[in-house]
Formats: sequence, C-alpha cells, structure tokens
Amino acid sequence: AQSVTQLGSHVSVSEGALVLLRCNYSSSVPPYLFWYVQYPNQGLQLLLKYTSAATLVKGINGFEAEFKKSETSFHLTKPSAHMSDAAEYFCAVIYPGGYNKLIFGAGTRLAVHP
Amino acid sequence: GAGVSQSPSNKVTEKGKDVELRCDPISGHTALYWYRQSLGQGLEFLIYFQGNSAPDKSGLPSDRFSAERTGGSVSTLTIQRTQQEDSAVYLCASSPGTGGLSTGELFFGEGSRLTVL
Repeated sequence: AQSVTQLGSHVSVSEGALVLLRCNYSSSVPPYLFWYVQYPNQGLQLLLKYTSAATLVKGINGFEAEFKKSETSFHLTKPSAHMSDAAEYFCAVIYPGGYNKLIFGAGTRLAVHP
Repeated sequence: GAGVSQSPSNKVTEKGKDVELRCDPISGHTALYWYRQSLGQGLEFLIYFQGNSAPDKSGLPSDRFSAERTGGSVSTLTIQRTQQEDSAVYLCASSPGTGGLSTGELFFGEGSRLTVL
C-alpha cells in the first residue's frame, strides 16, 4: 500500500541544535513530497515541497529537505533550532494519479528546550 | 474569506446523535478535502471534491459518514448515529486546483473538534 513513514513520534532538541525529522515513502515511482507544520492551536501550513525539480528544497523558517531516491527519503532539517519551532510536523506525499490527494505520515512532535 | 473557515470549532454530542460540520473554502478554490485527525493517528483522508463532485470518497469510514458540496463552495460533512470512535478533529482544506504549481498546496482550516460522549 502507498504510505509514508515518519520515524519518531516525538523529537526533543536543545535550542540552537540541529533538527532532523525523518520521512520515508513507499513507492518506486517518486511521488510529490511535502512537509506541513501545525503550530499549537493553528491549522496546518505548508513548509516546503518537492516536485521533481532540485533535490534540495528550501522552505520557510530556515527549514530544508533533501529528496534521496536511493533511500526513498525526504528528511527535514534545520541547522539551529529555535523555541518557536516547537510544533507538530507532518510529511506527506501525492502519488501519481492520486487526485492531488495528500497522504500524511503520523506526525512528529518537535519539542525545543532551552 | 481570507482563509478556510470551519464551524463549529468544538462540538460535544451524545452517542447516537447526528452531527454536521461545515467548511467554507477559500473563494475560487475548486478542490476541497476533508481529513480526520485522531490523537496519535496522523491525518486520515476522508473525501475529495472537485467542484460539486466527489471523485474520491474512498476514505469515508462507514456509511454513517457522508459529505456534500454545493455551488462549488461550502461543504458539509455529516456523521449519523455518532459513535465514540468518531471523536477526532475534522479538518477541511481547499486548493486552487488539482495540478501544476498548486499540486499538494492545500490550505487548511483550524478544524472542528468532535467529542462523542
């Protein structure tokens, strides 16, 4: 079945530390790939997306993600965490023929401590 | 409006009652989606509308769930004879279209939190 897997439901980092949130997809045909963020008591918003252009994608708030076909991965990174990055992050995919239907991972809750 | 609007923001109901959840998408957006977010479950796709038609309703969990969209705008998700397992946050999203630069760029509302007692 087409799916997307996020490793780690909770990630905790210190302020200023590297953020790495993992995402793997399950298709031999690269889908469109996305990261969405949900801040507390807010709706989801698009962080960044990969649509077969450059493999390194830059998003808002200093986040970026690299598409690696050989690893079927699209991990999200940020060099230096800020307290305001605390949120839930969702990796999502659209598979070909999927009516623009996003299939979401289970989410990773990022905590940033001083 | 400026964003996707959902109502009610919170709904508490008793088991067996029917509920209606409303979504007002961004003006001009032809695509509309309903998702369900349960604790620890991520976001579960329910149904997709293009205009007033629903080409993909594969995510509706049972025949107690139905949705409609009228005038290519407002959508209503109806849950009949609610059960406790229906408790979740129901999210609506809209998109300008189904391809091109807008691919995957969904604009989400803040959701309707449903609690079934």
